[in-house]
Amino acid sequence: GAVVSQHPSRVICKSGTSVKIECRSLDFQATTMFWYRQFPKKSLMLMATSNEGSKATYEQGVEKDKFLINHASLTLSTLTVTSAHPEDSSFYICSASADSYPYEQYFGPGTRLTVT
Amino acid sequence: EDKVVQSPLSLVVHEGDTVTLNCSYEVTNFRSLLWYKQEKKAPTFLFMLTSSGIEKKSGRLSSILDKKELFSILNITATQTGDSAIYLCAQTNTGNQFYFGTGTSLTVIP
Repeated sequence: GAVVSQHPSRVICKSGTSVKIECRSLDFQATTMFWYRQFPKKSLMLMATSNEGSKATYEQGVEKDKFLINHASLTLSTLTVTSAHPEDSSFYICSASADSYPYEQYFGPGTRLTVT
Repeated sequence: EDKVVQSPLSLVVHEGDTVTLNCSYEVTNFRSLLWYKQEKKAPTFLFMLTSSGIEKKSGRLSSILDKKELFSILNITATQTGDSAIYLCAQTNTGNQFYFGTGTSLTVIP
């Protein structure tokens, strides 16, 4: 199956700093990428959907100025958590989908963010 | 308004039991229904269903889609402790949008 990578897998940062997470589709062109956040023992919460070359569509309640998403190419999307706070500590997962059969969504391994 | 609804929200069974997880969805521009298993990290793909009435099977897991009644079920037979996870279903539409359910948390106890 298709492979999606995320980098870094784990990051610790200080409160007030910004952190960038990369999501790459390694062997296919991802026209659409999704960013999720997960809290312990809960399901995924979709944060935003990004299409290559256009602005991301954010879900209700997600601050677009705080969670900056860029999908500059068909293989790379980035999520930047700006002015991070301890409550932003979470597990962030990206996924990628090609706009062709089988249209499946392939998930990255996730990034554990801890804000101290 | 929820587009994908899963039930039950959580389930605790003993090893060897059979479980059935439910997923109902909306029909707007339906493309496929997908099931995922999530353990500690990112979800792993289980099944993709596009046609009604055709069962997909992988070992002890099977799934089927009913496009008339707009639901899908995921069956797990002879459950094992390693089946403990959150099971997610998602509907996709022709616009390549994904709608996830809230998941069913399954715990299998020895």
